[in-house]
Amino acid sequence: NAGVMQNPRHLVRRRGQEARLRCSPMKGHSHVYWYRQLPEEGLKFMVYLQKENIIDESGMPKERFSAEFPKEGPSILRIQQVVRGDSAAYFCASSPPTGWDYGYTFGSGTRLTVV
Amino acid sequence: AQSVTQLGSHVSVSEGALVLLRCNYSSSVPPYLFWYVQYPNQGLQLLLKYTSAATLVKGINGFEAEFKKSETSFHLTKPSAHMSDAAEYFCAVSGDTDKLIFGTGTRLQVFP
Repeated sequence: NAGVMQNPRHLVRRRGQEARLRCSPMKGHSHVYWYRQLPEEGLKFMVYLQKENIIDESGMPKERFSAEFPKEGPSILRIQQVVRGDSAAYFCASSPPTGWDYGYTFGSGTRLTVV
Repeated sequence: AQSVTQLGSHVSVSEGALVLLRCNYSSSVPPYLFWYVQYPNQGLQLLLKYTSAATLVKGINGFEAEFKKSETSFHLTKPSAHMSDAAEYFCAVSGDTDKLIFGTGTRLQVFP
């Protein structure tokens, strides 16, 4: 029973390029969450998605960032025209639609470095 | 709005000593509370959770936490630290729209 799968584990992009981060939730989980972790900081919520729906994107920067969770395939976090400040670890988590009794399961993260 | 405060960004203990990591929360509704552990270059692993059942919650690796509503606290403890406990620990509270709100983390160092 595979956990939450994120790829790639490490991603290097030059300033101005696009970054695509993928997240496949655990089997049976229909809720996906993206968090960003900057060095020496905690995890900041970015976006919460269900299949084909964005439920809460209150933590997403207004420009250059977008997320989707299509009917088929993984969830994608897309960062256009990356800048050095986007360098961080991006974590995906998933949960079943059964409330808080379960909590989240996290993936191992994608570490983005912008050079 | 819900929030979490973790007191002490770094905690150091000797192997075998008591571990106490502090977490205070703010929530306008009955909260669900979680502790996660993160080892270097890895994701977060759930240690334990409070979901309005017993106030003393036991988790993995010998950790436990007690929910104290009067003090709005959910401190994490372990009677005897082990070298393998060295990691970063995050407290989190349930927020609006099913999202978790995390504290800034406490890095635990264990000395031999």
